[in-house]
Amino acid sequence: DGGITQSPKYLFRKEGQNVTLSCEQNLNHDAMYWYRQDPGQGLRLIYYSQIVNDFQKGDIAEGYSVSREKKESFPLTVTSAQKNPTAFYLCASSVWTGRTQPQHFGDGTRLSIL
Amino acid sequence: RKEVEQDPGPFNVPEGATVAFNCTYSNSASQSFFWYRQDCRKEPKLLMSVYSSGNEDGRFTAQLNRASQYISLLIRDSKLSDSATYLCVVNFSLGFGGNKLVFGAGTILRVKS
Repeated sequence: DGGITQSPKYLFRKEGQNVTLSCEQNLNHDAMYWYRQDPGQGLRLIYYSQIVNDFQKGDIAEGYSVSREKKESFPLTVTSAQKNPTAFYLCASSVWTGRTQPQHFGDGTRLSIL
Repeated sequence: RKEVEQDPGPFNVPEGATVAFNCTYSNSASQSFFWYRQDCRKEPKLLMSVYSSGNEDGRFTAQLNRASQYISLLIRDSKLSDSATYLCVVNFSLGFGGNKLVFGAGTILRVKS
């Protein structure tokens, strides 16, 4: 079955620690995205990538980093510079065309501070 | 002003009721519109795309009013399983040929027996 796999489902971060969230897709989608969702708020775009070895900052990129070495993979690192990391993190992918296409989501990672 | 605004609700309706959600967006150049459904503590899932002429999928009807910059979703004959948060999603130009999707905060629907 094609889809997007995020891991882990739950993650706990200690003070000063960097953590990496995994996102893998086998949909052959060009574009991948990372969002965070806080209670009562919409999804906010952290980073996105249209193509391998290229990525762009979204609206709230500070304190996060990404890489896109393979088409299938788009890991997100939450660094110690992100002072309020507790949130629901969602990875998505889509076909990249001249017209915006709907995005398909993984089932998310819940990150909490210890 | 938020880029995409929705009434947060909750909308509490009995089974069988018809319920409508509205959403407004700020970017008049937006070209793509979607409704997503999100169950509690789950990921958003695409419910339907919204086309200029309006479109229907079973009990769900989506409408777009470009002049007023709003989108609507109508659910007829509500089922208990329709209880969820409905997210309005609009594309925004990034200014260099790219686009991004902007998600509204969502409208909560609770269908009760």
